[in-house]
Amino acid sequence: GQNIDQPTEMTATEGAIVQINCTYQTSGFNGLFWYQQHAGEAPTFLSYNVLDGLEEKGRFSSFLSRSKGYSYLLLKELQMKDSASYLCAVVIPGTYKYIFGTGTRLKVLA
Amino acid sequence: IAGITQAPTSQILAAGRRMTLRCTQDMRHNAMYWYRQDLGLGLRLIHYSNTAGTTGKGEVPDGYSVSRANTDDFPLTLASAVPSQTSVYFCASSTSGGVDTQYFGPGTRLTVL
Repeated sequence: GQNIDQPTEMTATEGAIVQINCTYQTSGFNGLFWYQQHAGEAPTFLSYNVLDGLEEKGRFSSFLSRSKGYSYLLLKELQMKDSASYLCAVVIPGTYKYIFGTGTRLKVLA
Repeated sequence: IAGITQAPTSQILAAGRRMTLRCTQDMRHNAMYWYRQDLGLGLRLIHYSNTAGTTGKGEVPDGYSVSRANTDDFPLTLASAVPSQTSVYFCASSTSGGVDTQYFGPGTRLTVL
């Protein structure tokens, strides 16, 4: 079966660093995406990892360990506008399909 | 049009009625997708199309049908709506499917009473 786990909710303070974890057990792996979704809006692309290691993009970084079935999204210098849900999605090989986790709702407090 | 659009933005529908949700993209993407998003369940794939003229079933296809007559349009039809189809529906597209980034439309909020 396919299973992707993320924490349901996290809270952090403006200016801080937060790490959002994602673990997956899927029938194959062809990459992992992170999307951001503000309330009432569409998901938007943040990052893609297919090889082990860290990918850095400004304040956001994403890490992947394929052997552990694990990824995390690291958000630095948190801003109020980072309050959103963060969705982890795994691409299943040989298909056109993503399997999404249920998302982590991040609240950034002043 | 820039990107991917959906219509209507929201709709309240009586159970048993037929409804078509529209999705149009102008990015010349080959692959298109329909998802539903429910609280606590995340985004689930309903149907997809990897190129015009072909469609495939996703994780939750029952009660829904799609067609892909051309590259730009990918309508989703509920033949006879039921309350469990109350959800937010997102259309997405990608260049060619698989590991490509998916771009999402703004969503349609559907309530079936």
